[in-house]
Amino acid sequence: GNSVTQMEGPVTLSEEAFLTINCTYTATGYPSLFWYVQYPGEGLQLLLKATKADDKGSNKGFEATYRKETTSFHLEKGSVQVSDSAVYFCALRTGTASKLTFGTGTRLQVTL
Amino acid sequence: DVKVTQSSRYLVKRTGEKVFLECVQDMDHENMFWYRQDPGLGLRLIYFSYDVKMKEKGDIPEGYSVSREKKERFSLILESASTNQTSMYLCASSLVSYNSPLHFGNGTRLTVT
Repeated sequence: GNSVTQMEGPVTLSEEAFLTINCTYTATGYPSLFWYVQYPGEGLQLLLKATKADDKGSNKGFEATYRKETTSFHLEKGSVQVSDSAVYFCALRTGTASKLTFGTGTRLQVTL
Repeated sequence: DVKVTQSSRYLVKRTGEKVFLECVQDMDHENMFWYRQDPGLGLRLIYFSYDVKMKEKGDIPEGYSVSREKKERFSLILESASTNQTSMYLCASSLVSYNSPLHFGNGTRLTVT
């Protein structure tokens, strides 16, 4: 079956630090990969996606590259801000009408 | 922008009550989903629907049922609420293609006392 493994949090960084959140996956077939962000008290928002190997998704300074050879989709940002504090979820999807399979989420706390 | 609207942000119900959680999407998406989110357990799929009147069980369907009479509306029903159903419930919708992301509502935090 499909599964997603994310690094355990919380991750605590100072403002302007470099961020990496690791994500690896196991899937049958060729999945599409997603990163979602959840701010306190809110639902999940799509942050970025990649649908085939070597694709790079990017949005709001965040980037992730679909690496088929290492089955990874690590999230990176060059300079985090306090407003990036949230929980980040890596997810994959295969087949039609199918669910998203989520990682357990990584909480990011950015301090001044 | 896709809008997925859940009818309540917070809900408090008593044990044994029948509870309806409503979700409406405005983008003519074929697929709709109900997840629950719990600390330490992440997001787990309860049910999903790929067309009107069509539904499939997810990972944790016990104690829940769903209804999809119209394409834009997907209801989650707790037949007899129990305290272990206290949780955050998230509705989502998407196009059919697996390349398409799911679009989520803001969630309903349900407390069963």
